[in-house]
Amino acid sequence: EPEVTQTPSHQVTQMGQEVILRCVPISNHLYFYWYRQILGQKVEFLVSFYNNEISEKSEIFDDQFSVERPDGSNFTLKIRSTKLEDSAMYFCASSDQRGPNNEQFFGPGTRLTVL
Amino acid sequence: DQQVKQNSPSLSVQEGRISILNCDYTNSMFDYFLWYKKYPAEGPTFLISISSIKDKNEDGRFTVFLNKSAKHLSLHIVPSQPGDSAVYFCAAPGSSNTGKLIFGQGTTLQVKP
Repeated sequence: EPEVTQTPSHQVTQMGQEVILRCVPISNHLYFYWYRQILGQKVEFLVSFYNNEISEKSEIFDDQFSVERPDGSNFTLKIRSTKLEDSAMYFCASSDQRGPNNEQFFGPGTRLTVL
Repeated sequence: DQQVKQNSPSLSVQEGRISILNCDYTNSMFDYFLWYKKYPAEGPTFLISISSIKDKNEDGRFTVFLNKSAKHLSLHIVPSQPGDSAVYFCAAPGSSNTGKLIFGQGTTLQVKP
């Protein structure tokens, strides 16, 4: 069964450093998303991406964040200068359609720890 | 952003009994709801959904009920199995139709053998 994969599973970085979180969505999916979950809190939407453009971004997704689909398979989330409060589980998701009943398939997540 | 709320952080039930997980929402424009299940060290996986034009959707042991007037939905699992032990998230699509999902806080279900 096709699945979304994410690397690395755990990333530890120093405050102020740049990190790139990588995702390989399901191959025939066209819509891509990043969510995050701070420990003990809800899963929060960060950004949606379609046709090489951001469709929507949340207020969390400020100028320190960027997304890219550098080739036909990868989807990356970059945090330019990490802060302590960026420590969270980051989930990538993809779907083959958009709309109210879209089923999004989530990857296993990358745990980001900012020291 | 408290548009989707799950007020019970945890629930413990005996194997074979019914599990009822509750979710409330505030935005009357929501017209679709989804339940996701999450095991530790894994991402959320889609479980079941319901359109606002229905009040019930059933899939095997899982049934979701929607009460639009109360802005409330619930997920029933019958019979509950130990493998159902996980965190359950209620979610609704944002109004902008970009695929954004708004999640509740989650309820941790423990099914005891």
